[in-house]
Amino acid sequence: GAVVSQHPSWVICKSGTSVKIECRSLDFQATTMFWYRQFPKQSLMLMATSNEGSKATYEQGVEKDKFLINHASLTLSTLTVTSAHPEDSSFYICLAGGPDTQYFGPGTRLTVL
Amino acid sequence: AQSVSQHNHHVILSEAASLELGCNYSYGGTVNLFWYVQYPGQHLQLLLKYFSGDPLVKGIKGFEAEFIKSKFSFNLRKPSVQWSDTAEYFCAVTPRALTFGSGTRLQVQP
Repeated sequence: GAVVSQHPSWVICKSGTSVKIECRSLDFQATTMFWYRQFPKQSLMLMATSNEGSKATYEQGVEKDKFLINHASLTLSTLTVTSAHPEDSSFYICLAGGPDTQYFGPGTRLTVL
Repeated sequence: AQSVSQHNHHVILSEAASLELGCNYSYGGTVNLFWYVQYPGQHLQLLLKYFSGDPLVKGIKGFEAEFIKSKFSFNLRKPSVQWSDTAEYFCAVTPRALTFGSGTRLQVQP
């Protein structure tokens, strides 16, 4: 099956710093990337949907100025957590593809101290 | 808006017992339905999916699910569970982005 990678796989940062997470589709073109967040012992919650070359659509309650999403190419989308705080500590997962064919990235564990 | 409900939050079974996990969705249009599994410390893995056709779908590791349109349900079943099936199971639905249920933690005791 198709492969989606995320980098870094885990990151620890200080409160107030920004963290960039990359999601790459390695062997297919992902016109749509979805970003999810999973808190411990909870389900995946959709944060935003991005289409290549256009602005991301954020779910209700997700701050677009805090979670910057860029989908500049068909193989790369980035999520930047700006001015991270401990409550942003979570597991961030990208989903590349579309409604009928989608592939998850392995996820990025973010810990904000 | 579409939503997914998983009523069983935590299920404990003995090995060889039969499993059925409930999943109901709310959406009036055509949907695609999925079951994912997340083993401890690992990322999501697709178990099976339904797009159209035979409402009884067979997936990996002996799992199957039945789509009952009139009940808006897509329950996951396995005739005989193993200790290695201990994991978190998520039901999900499109047509927009994948919307996940809250998950069911399955614990299989040897």
